[in-house]
Formats: sequence, structure tokens, C-alpha cells
Amino acid sequence: RKEVEQDPGPFNVPEGATVAFNCTYSNSASQSFFWYRQDCRKEPKLLMSVYSSGNEDGRFTAQLNRASQYISLLIRDSKLSDSATYLCVVLFLDSSYKLIFGSGTRLLVRP
Amino acid sequence: GAGVSQSPRYKVAKRGQDVALRCDPISGHVSLFWYQQALGQGPEFLTYFQNEAQLDKSGLPSDRFFAERPEGSVSTLKIQRTQQEDSAVYLCASSPEGRGLGTGELFFGEGSRLTVL
Repeated sequence: RKEVEQDPGPFNVPEGATVAFNCTYSNSASQSFFWYRQDCRKEPKLLMSVYSSGNEDGRFTAQLNRASQYISLLIRDSKLSDSATYLCVVLFLDSSYKLIFGSGTRLLVRP
Repeated sequence: GAGVSQSPRYKVAKRGQDVALRCDPISGHVSLFWYQQALGQGPEFLTYFQNEAQLDKSGLPSDRFFAERPEGSVSTLKIQRTQQEDSAVYLCASSPEGRGLGTGELFFGEGSRLTVL
């Protein structure tokens, strides 16, 4: 079983739709959580951190449920420019400092 | 530029050749990571340096893979006797923090795309 699992998609939604992605992680010792965005043939970039209390950044809302080891990302009022792959990322701080990436969920926003 | 720079951007190697991939992190960044990303997959952790110390190499897939960062700045990932399964994008990332701080923001380079024929 992979340490971080995501539905690969693709999610194909019309502009203006609300879409949600989920992610589960297997290591309960995981410290911190993030969503990264990766455009086609580009490098990943940090989208937002995920806090236990939930957090919002404009149209994006991230939630964390430590008990269920589950992270979510909600995108409201989808734009064409939101089309990308969204990577769920978990930080382990054991003997190292390691960010583990999920395989990503692909989002396609159509006109 | 001020970002992470990787070279070469593209490399085609014949099976069995050795390759070396270079990463210039953002100046002053303490942490440096190498990831391998196969087509349609997320980045897979290979190794982590804090300054010149390689603190974690648990992700290196075999002893054909070797990474170094001798002066705590530029890093090189070397792959010996390349195999077809080594074909992937190799991403380098840096962070201004060392372990224990962990804001989780990594700054990635554009990657080196390796194709082994």
C-alpha cells in the first residue's frame, strides 16, 4: 500500500463547478500536510498547507482529519486555469525530513 | 535566475551508460532533495541533504544511484549502468529550512528528463 493515496481522476468539470479531491495517508506519525499543483510538463509548486482546523485561500479550502488520516481539497467556482494535477503531500519528520507525494489527481476544467 | 536550476534538461542515454545530473539550488538553501517522477506518477523521494550531509538515501532504488553535495551547495545525481526503467524526470528541490522546521515548501527545478534507450 502506498503511503499517500489519491484518486487519479481525471475529474472533468465545467467552468464554475465545485470539485473536491480526497487523499488518505497511512503513517499516523505524519507531521504536516500540503497540496501542491503541477501543470503539464512543469515542476510541482506549493498550492497551500493544510491545517487541522481547516483553512481557506480564496476559492480553495483544505481540510484535515487526523483520526481518519484523510485530507481534502475543495475548489469552488472552477476556472479554466485550474486545470492541472493536484498532488497531496505529507511531511514525515522522523530521522529525516521527507515529503511524500501522492500520485496526483488530474483536473480538467472545460468551457 | 534566482530559482533552482537543473542540467541537462534532456538526456538520452544508451542502456549501460553512466549519466550525471546537476542541481544548483537557491543560494543559501540548507535542504536539498532529489525526486524521480515517472510518467503519470507523483514524484518519488530519492534522497535528502542538509548542507553537505546526506541524511536520508532510503529512496535510491539501487546501488547504481549515487548523490553528492560536497560543499553544501550544488548537488549531482549519478546513475551508473543506466537501465530502461531509469527513464523518468529527475526533480531537484531545495528549501531554506533544515529538518525540524518543516513548513513543507519545496522549490523545484524544472527537472532533467532522462530517456534510456
